[in-house]
Amino acid sequence: EVQLVQSGAEMKKPGESLKISCKASGYRFTAYWIGWVRQMPGKGLEWMGIIYPGDSDTIYSPSFEGQVTLSVDTSINTAYLQWSSLKGSDTAIYYCVRPVKYAVSQFYFDVWSQGTLVTVSS
Amino acid sequence: EIVLTQSPGTLSVSPGERATLSCRASQSVRSNYLAWYQQKPGQAPRLLIYGASSRATGIPDRFSGSGSGTDFSVTISRLEPEDFAVYFCQQYGSSPVTFGEGTKVEIK
Repeated sequence: EVQLVQSGAEMKKPGESLKISCKASGYRFTAYWIGWVRQMPGKGLEWMGIIYPGDSDTIYSPSFEGQVTLSVDTSINTAYLQWSSLKGSDTAIYYCVRPVKYAVSQFYFDVWSQGTLVTVSS
Repeated sequence: EIVLTQSPGTLSVSPGERATLSCRASQSVRSNYLAWYQQKPGQAPRLLIYGASSRATGIPDRFSGSGSGTDFSVTISRLEPEDFAVYFCQQYGSSPVTFGEGTKVEIK
């Protein structure tokens, strides 16, 4: 069974750094893209970026380019989403997702993880 | 980027009734690359429909998607108690992929 399991909820202060994780199982990690979607409190969904573990090729949404960093560790089948300096507006649930990719920037998401709640508050 | 407008914002329906949710795009969605997701409270979204009309694995046939160009819809033929949720559409024909704001289907 394909599964994505994320790290637990985080409470941080503005300006702090954070790295959350997503461990994949049930499929060959290096053969499929993996990505992240944000859901702010009570709001809709926003695609952030995707990364190909096979070669770390990364595509960011223009809205998130420069704001976050995606990375992977293929030795432990884990993807990461990282912030260097959090803001209050980063408070959201972050979902790890597996895209079904048709072309460079054409994909939908067939597998979703349970989400990680990140709360940023002083 | 393509803006997706979902309507209505909230739909009140009785169990057993039919519900039709709409998703309108600000420009034509290439190749009808339109997906629908269901999200229940406290849960992650789940893929229902892709390619405008193809059901994802395990999705009951009471869910059907249709549409092309700029106008898409998903119909739930007979609402079951577990179908009351928020539904999002997503276009993946143009970069960046974008989502609609969602339609909440609530019990009447």
